[in-house]
Amino acid sequence: QKEVEQNSGPLSVPEGAIASLNCTYSDRGSQSFFWYRQYSGKSPELIMFIYSNGDKEDGRFTAQLNKASQYVSLLIRDSQPSDSATYLCAGKTSYDKVIFGPGTSLSVIP
Amino acid sequence: EAGVTQSPTHLIKTRGQQATLRCSPISGHTSVYWYQQALGLGLQFLLWYDEGEERNRGNFPPRFSGRQFPNYSSELNVNALELEDSALYLCASSRQKSRPLHFGNGTRLTVT
Repeated sequence: QKEVEQNSGPLSVPEGAIASLNCTYSDRGSQSFFWYRQYSGKSPELIMFIYSNGDKEDGRFTAQLNKASQYVSLLIRDSQPSDSATYLCAGKTSYDKVIFGPGTSLSVIP
Repeated sequence: EAGVTQSPTHLIKTRGQQATLRCSPISGHTSVYWYQQALGLGLQFLLWYDEGEERNRGNFPPRFSGRQFPNYSSELNVNALELEDSALYLCASSRQKSRPLHFGNGTRLTVT
């Protein structure tokens, strides 16, 4: 079992819709979770981080964490074509390694 | 605030040679992480340094090594290069253990 798993996609949504990205993790000791966006040929850029159960909102982005279910999600509201990228979920394990999932490719169709 | 800087941007080596990649973290950041991203694949954890010490390493052979200097900059060394070592090598830094990672622009290593 991989430590952090994501649906590889591609996920396609129309412009203005909500994009929902999901991530599960195997290490119950993981405490910190991060979402990054990576454009082709570029390095990952931080979108959000979440440490506590529940929701955390920042502009058009909402991160959700459910530690009991070992589940993290990212919602993107009012999706724009510029949101088209690969989204990486990462978790800091109980051994303090920061492990990334394989990424979900998102395509926002104008 | 200057971001994470990596050098060189591109590096071309032949099989069997050694490669040295360098990383300068954001000022005030003491932790440095190294990742390998082969073309079309995800980020694979290589090494984590904090306060000058290697704290953890991923499932890579010993020919991947590195160090962190007193000024918290770091270098990654890859010995006996193999063709499959061709990848984008990303360095990231963070202020504390639980804080988010901030990435540099990467070094693209090509082994021929």
